[in-house]
Amino acid sequence: GENVEQHPSTLSVQEGDSAVIKCTYSDSASNYFPWYKQELGKRPQLIIDIRSNVGEKKDQRIAVTLNKTAKHFSLHITETQPEDSAVYFCAARRGGADGLTFGKGTHLIIQP
Amino acid sequence: DVKVTQSSRYLVKRTGEKVFLECVQDMDHENMFWYRQDPGLGLRLIYFSYDVKMKEKGDIPEGYSVSREKKERFSLILESASTNQTSMYLCASSLGGGTYEQYFGPGTRLTVT
Repeated sequence: GENVEQHPSTLSVQEGDSAVIKCTYSDSASNYFPWYKQELGKRPQLIIDIRSNVGEKKDQRIAVTLNKTAKHFSLHITETQPEDSAVYFCAARRGGADGLTFGKGTHLIIQP
Repeated sequence: DVKVTQSSRYLVKRTGEKVFLECVQDMDHENMFWYRQDPGLGLRLIYFSYDVKMKEKGDIPEGYSVSREKKERFSLILESASTNQTSMYLCASSLGGGTYEQYFGPGTRLTVT
């Protein structure tokens, strides 16, 4: 089955700086890679996603890049703000099925 | 706006009890999912369903079963609850047909004593 590794587990950055979270996956048939943000006590919220036929996608301050050859994808947040503090999860959709395999999460802390 | 609801936010049950967790979505989504979330482990897929009366095992189906009698409702059943099933349970749905975005419910925190 699919295996998703996510790093780092905790990331602390100064407000205004950029943050990068990295994930690798194992199943070359995986074709969809979403990122979720989860604030304390709340449900995971989809913030950006990318399909395997695209190398990069951007939405305002957040962007995702995908390297299919290396089976690697990353979340980039620029100009970080206090409200970006949360746990972020990457995930991969297994080839041929709709269930997602998630990474273990990254706790992003924005220092004032 | 997609709305996924779960029957309870908090639930406390005793070991050996049969437990039902209910999930309802109001957007006519084809696919529904059950995940459990544990600290340091992320979200893990228990079961999912493509259509009414259809179900597929996820990564950790042992000790669980599911039921989907109507398109909008997906139930997770713990036949005989055990303490290692204490967890946060999250339901999700997606439109299907090549649209993969999953939307989550608020979660049910289940404690088995």
